[in-house]
Amino acid sequence: NAGVTQTPKFRVLKTGQSMTLLCAQDMNHEYMYWYRQDPGMGLRLIHYSVGEGTTAKGEVPDGYNVSRLKKQNFLLGLESAAPSQTSVYFCASSYREGARYEQYFGPGTRLTVT
Amino acid sequence: AQKITQTQPGMFVQEKEAVTLDCTYDTSDPSYGLFWYKQPSSGEMIFLIYQGSYDQQNATEGRYSLNFQKARKSANLVISASQLGDSAMYFCAMREVNYGQNFVFGPGTRLSVLP
Repeated sequence: NAGVTQTPKFRVLKTGQSMTLLCAQDMNHEYMYWYRQDPGMGLRLIHYSVGEGTTAKGEVPDGYNVSRLKKQNFLLGLESAAPSQTSVYFCASSYREGARYEQYFGPGTRLTVT
Repeated sequence: AQKITQTQPGMFVQEKEAVTLDCTYDTSDPSYGLFWYKQPSSGEMIFLIYQGSYDQQNATEGRYSLNFQKARKSANLVISASQLGDSAMYFCAMREVNYGQNFVFGPGTRLSVLP
C-alpha cells in the first residue's frame, strides 16, 4: 500500500519555466490538497479538491493551477515559475468520518527556482 | 489575524518526562476540528491526534493526549514519557467545517528530547 506519492522529489527550475507536480493516492480518498511549506512556517493551502473534476482555491493560489481528472491523481502546475515559489510542496489526501477529515501526506517535493 | 498560534518556537524535554506543546486558535465557526502533526527531520508529516469541537472528552492516542479547553480556545498537545524519537517539529492545525476544506496550520514548535 503506497499511500500518497509525489513526483518528482526534487526539482530546480529557472525563472519563467513551467512544470507539473504529480500527486497520486491509492486509498480511494475523495479529498486531495496541495500545500507549500516555507522555512520556519507551517503549511499553507494552495488548492484543494473535494472530488474528481472539482478544484477550489486555498489560502495562496496565485501562480498555481491544478487539475483532478482522475480520483487518484491531483496535479499542481506552475506556468511561469518565480523565485518566490521556491518551497517544499506537500500533497495530502483525506477521507471523511463525520466532521473528521484525517489527512495523509506525501513525502514532499523540494522545488528551487533560480 | 493568525488563526493558529503556537507560542513556543522551541522546547526541550528530558527523556521519559512529559511535555506540553501549546496551541491556541481563533474561529467564529462553532463546528471545527483540531489536529496535531509531527514532522521529523526526514520531512514527512505524520498525523498524531484529532479533536472535534463538539467532542465531550479530550482525545487520546497512545502517549499523545490533547488538552482541549474550548472556552479558552486552546488545544495543547501532551506527550507523556518522551522518547528520543519524539524530537521533531510539531504543528497544530484547524479545519472550520463551514469554511469548506480550508485547513490552517500554525508555525510549529520544535521539540528536542534530551537523553
